[in-house]
Amino acid sequence: AQTVTQSQPEMSVQEAETVTLSCTYDTSESDYYLFWYKQPPSRQMILVIRQEAYKQQNATENRFSVNFQKAAKSFSLKISDSQLGDAAMYFCAYRSPYNNNDMRFGAGTRLTVKP
Amino acid sequence: DTEVTQTPKHLVMGMTNKKSLKCEQHMGHRAMYWYKQKAKKPPELMFVYSYEKLSINESVPSRFSPECPNSSLLNLHLHALQPEDSALYLCASSQMAGGGGNTIYFGEGSWLTVV
Repeated sequence: AQTVTQSQPEMSVQEAETVTLSCTYDTSESDYYLFWYKQPPSRQMILVIRQEAYKQQNATENRFSVNFQKAAKSFSLKISDSQLGDAAMYFCAYRSPYNNNDMRFGAGTRLTVKP
Repeated sequence: DTEVTQTPKHLVMGMTNKKSLKCEQHMGHRAMYWYKQKAKKPPELMFVYSYEKLSINESVPSRFSPECPNSSLLNLHLHALQPEDSALYLCASSQMAGGGGNTIYFGEGSWLTVV
């Protein structure tokens, strides 16, 4: 079974600076999808970014970008120009195209943004 | 703005009560989900409906009873709950259930406290 590991329970960053959140996963599948979700104190899970494993190009959404290393099974999230509103719990998630509805979440990283 | 809406946002119920959580999505999605999330933990999948039919039940106790009246609505009926069932219940939807690449969109959640 696939597993997702986020080794940083907590991270902090100064406002306007850059921070990278780590995620690794274990799978024997060659095709899959990876996601980063953000969960602020309001508790809604918000999609930040997604990556298809068959795409070599790293996904980017405004200030958010990923470093996808398929061979290393690594999927880190970089947040540039951090803002106070970025403070949240961030979950990395893996979804298999073969196992119906099987989406695995990591344990989460709590990001604090200091003014 | 979320397009998955959940009501109520907060619910306190006794162990002998019967209550329901409601969810509605306005994106034309054909798959809907219930997740349970305990504090400081990632969401755990409970149920999946695909084309209004229950496709996955992750061995959830029968005191939780899902219902999908139509493609836009999803209910979770609650009866004889235990205090350990207190959690955030997240509703979500995706275009289709399988395929992996269908992004799952979450509602804001319903906070449930069982007393």
